[in-house]
Amino acid sequence: KNEVEQSPQNLTAQEGEFITINCSYSVGISALHWLQQHPGGGIVSLFMLSSGKKKHGRLIATINIQEKHSSLHITASHPRDSAVYICAVRGSGGGADGLTFGKGTHLIIQP
Amino acid sequence: GAVVSQHPSRVICKSGTSVKIECRSLDFQATTMFWYRQFPKQSLMLMATSNEGSKATYEQGVEKDKFLINHASLTLSTLTVTSAHPEDSSFYICSAAQGSRKTEAFFGQGTRLTVV
Repeated sequence: KNEVEQSPQNLTAQEGEFITINCSYSVGISALHWLQQHPGGGIVSLFMLSSGKKKHGRLIATINIQEKHSSLHITASHPRDSAVYICAVRGSGGGADGLTFGKGTHLIIQP
Repeated sequence: GAVVSQHPSRVICKSGTSVKIECRSLDFQATTMFWYRQFPKQSLMLMATSNEGSKATYEQGVEKDKFLINHASLTLSTLTVTSAHPEDSSFYICSAAQGSRKTEAFFGQGTRLTVV
């Protein structure tokens, strides 16, 4: 079973700061997801990665398959970025496997 | 992008009653549906995986007779919490996978269940 570790667990930063959230996993995967969860619980899928790097607006996600590590970066952070960011991985079994989630990083961006 | 609609978003029920949660894929055929739950301050955990037309596969520790999952069509899966207890109070969320895009994750909005 995959173990997904995220760091930091909590992060408070000032508006405009560059944010990095890290994720490591223990077993090979078919895909890694970065998700955003708001206080009401709803989840938004930010990225799905199987290799390399993806960018969407101020968000950048990278993954290193050999090192079993991924990072989520937020440039020019804004208070509306405040949320819980969750890393989740899908196994490489070939079928449609459920996701294994990290515990999340609670991000607060102060104005 | 693909849309998954989950209903209701919040429900309060009495102990001993049953609650049904629906998850619909609105613009694609969901060959597989996943049901997750999240207790306060904990990570999301997979409860079960269901494929259209077949029995759901439950994760260890999840009672299949208590959490009934039906995936009778390619656009609808339901989770019924039977004889609910206060310890079943949790956030339940579904996710759909579509055929060849099985590594992607399309989430419903989630259901906050409170059993009193």
